[in-house]
Amino acid sequence: ETGVTQTPRHLVMGMTNKKSLKCEQHLGHNAMYWYKQSAKKPLELMFVYNFKEQTENNSVPSRFSPECPNSSHLFLHLHTLQPEDSALYLCASSQAGRPSTDTQYFGPGTRLTVL
Amino acid sequence: GENVEQHPSTLSVQEGDSAVIKCTYSDSASNYFPWYKQELGKGPQLIIDIRSNVGEKKDQRIAVTLNKTAKHFSLHITETQPEDSAVYFCAARYGKLTFGQGTILTVHP
Repeated sequence: ETGVTQTPRHLVMGMTNKKSLKCEQHLGHNAMYWYKQSAKKPLELMFVYNFKEQTENNSVPSRFSPECPNSSHLFLHLHTLQPEDSALYLCASSQAGRPSTDTQYFGPGTRLTVL
Repeated sequence: GENVEQHPSTLSVQEGDSAVIKCTYSDSASNYFPWYKQELGKGPQLIIDIRSNVGEKKDQRIAVTLNKTAKHFSLHITETQPEDSAVYFCAARYGKLTFGQGTILTVHP
C-alpha cells in the first residue's frame, strides 16, 4: 500500500453517462496529480494541483473535469466520453515545494472502459 | 519539453541473471530520475531514484547509474527473481515528470 487509494477500481460507462473517479491520499502531501495510462504509450500527465489550486492542465479535453476540495482528495468528473478515453487513470501525490521530498506516490488506478 | 526514451521495450532473462534497462533524456536541466515498477493490476511503485548530484545509487539488488554528460541513466537488477517480472518505467524531471515508454521484464524460473 502506498497511502494513495482510488475508487472505483473498475468502471464501465456509456458515452452519455456521467461518472466520477475519486482519489484519497493519507500521506500528508500537498500536491496531487491525474495521469492517463493507455496501452503502449507513456504515462500522460493530465492535471496537477498544489495546495488545492490547479497549476497544470495538460491540454485535456473539457469532458474531463478535475476537482480538488482539499489536499487529501482529488476527483475526476467524466461526461460525454469517447471510446478512446478507455484507459487506466492513475492518481499520484507528492510533497510539493521541497525538491528533496517531492517523490510521487501512485494509487492503484481506475480501469475505465467507455462503450 | 523533456523527452525520455527507454530501451528495450521487452526484456526476457533467466532467473539469477542480471537485467539492464536504459533511458536517455533530452533536457540537460533535468535533475531527478526515478524508476517505477508496475505489476499487473497495480499502480507504479517507486523502487529507486537518483538526483543529478549523484552518479550511482544502490539498494540491495537494484542500482541506478546516471551519466549527465551523455544524458542517460540505467537501472541494473542483479540476481533476478520471478517476482521481478513487471513493467519498469524510468522518468526524468525538470518541473514535471516525463516518463519513458516502459520495459516489460520477464524473469523465467
